[in-house]
Amino acid sequence: AQTIHQWPVAEIKAVGSPLSLGCTIKGKSSPNLYWYWQATGGTLQQLFYSITVGQVESVVQLNLSASRPKDDQFILSTEKLLLSHSGFYLCAWGPQNTLYFGAGTRLSVL
Amino acid sequence: QQQVRQSPQSLTVWEGETAILNCSYENSAFDYFPWYQQFPGEGPALLISILSVSNKKEDGRFTIFFNKREKKLSLHIADSQPGDSATYFCAASPGANTGKLTFGHGTILRVHP
Repeated sequence: AQTIHQWPVAEIKAVGSPLSLGCTIKGKSSPNLYWYWQATGGTLQQLFYSITVGQVESVVQLNLSASRPKDDQFILSTEKLLLSHSGFYLCAWGPQNTLYFGAGTRLSVL
Repeated sequence: QQQVRQSPQSLTVWEGETAILNCSYENSAFDYFPWYQQFPGEGPALLISILSVSNKKEDGRFTIFFNKREKKLSLHIADSQPGDSATYFCAASPGANTGKLTFGHGTILRVHP
């Protein structure tokens, strides 16, 4: 069975500080991977997707970047956090159109 | 432009009642419609989905009714249980366009015992 693990579970960071969020998929080779962002009480906004190692496509410009250093790993990062980055970050993998989400990382930027 | 709209924003029903959650879309190219269920503090989980070639999909207490002509669909939750209290997201995508899901803003369902 495939498992998806996100880390950390939660972060409290200062404006202007760097950020790195991670996601690992086990039990699935060459998965399509996605980063989503969800404002509190809001909808899910796709940020990035990757279909293979080293290739990442940006969907929305939010002063964030993503990388896929390994087949089973997806990293979301920024060098300078903004207040607007607060929210719930979700990693997902998917065959075709079915997305399976991780448990998410709650980010609070103060 | 909100391509997938959901209503109501929130819904409260009594245990045992049928909850009806509505969804509409604008893009005629959408032909795959999954519903996701999300509990507070967790990631969304796929609940049930339908392709536009069908007008109904049933899975236990959950049923999707789909009207392609009107670009509308609804999720019916029969015999609602307090454990069904969650946020439900309708999503849509065009064919096999991997990961090109567009989500609605969700409906918060509360089921009172």
